[in-house]
Amino acid sequence: DAGVTQSPTHLIKTRGQQVTLRCSPKSGHDTVSWYQQALGQGPQFIFQYYEEEERQRGNFPDRFSGHQFPNYSSELNVNALLLGDSALYLCASSLETGEQFEQYFGPGTRLTVT
Amino acid sequence: TQLLEQSPQFLSIQEGENLTVYCNSSSVFSSLQWYRQEPGEGPVLLVTVVTGGEVKKLKRLTFQFGDARKDSSLHITAAQPGDTGLYLCAGEQQSNYQLIWGAGTKLIIKP
Repeated sequence: DAGVTQSPTHLIKTRGQQVTLRCSPKSGHDTVSWYQQALGQGPQFIFQYYEEEERQRGNFPDRFSGHQFPNYSSELNVNALLLGDSALYLCASSLETGEQFEQYFGPGTRLTVT
Repeated sequence: TQLLEQSPQFLSIQEGENLTVYCNSSSVFSSLQWYRQEPGEGPVLLVTVVTGGEVKKLKRLTFQFGDARKDSSLHITAAQPGDTGLYLCAGEQQSNYQLIWGAGTKLIIKP
């Protein structure tokens, strides 16, 4: 049973550049959430995708956008990168019809903006 | 905005000692989840508590959900170095599909 996978593992970008991060959900899951986690802090919710649409969004600027594909995989795009965007980006998947809203996380993508 | 406050933020104790981590809010949650995260990895779900007053045990870890479903605690008995990590609580909001996260408790167990 494949868990949540993310790519790439690490990424180094320069200020002003654009980045795309990818996520494949756990087998059987249909909902993908993206989080930003700064070092030593809890995850901050960016947005959630279900049925290929953004369903919920946290307090992040429009530079952060995403997409969900018919196979439930998802992408996170960040434009005009800032130094402050350096963080661990986590993808979590869940099942819409699950009894509780339990999320399963991927290993994350460590983004460094220089 | 709903907030989840975790305490303590940092805890360093000797192997064999007991400890308790707290997660508090002024809001009611449908459920509350505890995760453990190791450096460079994503959080791993430990347990979900749903009913007010519920107690769940996972080996040496005991999780309790407050009667009013606003707070929770994690108690570790006879801590071991393998328990080291960042412990995060997350509350499920009643009206949508979003989790509210605490900032985490960084736990270090010294051998």
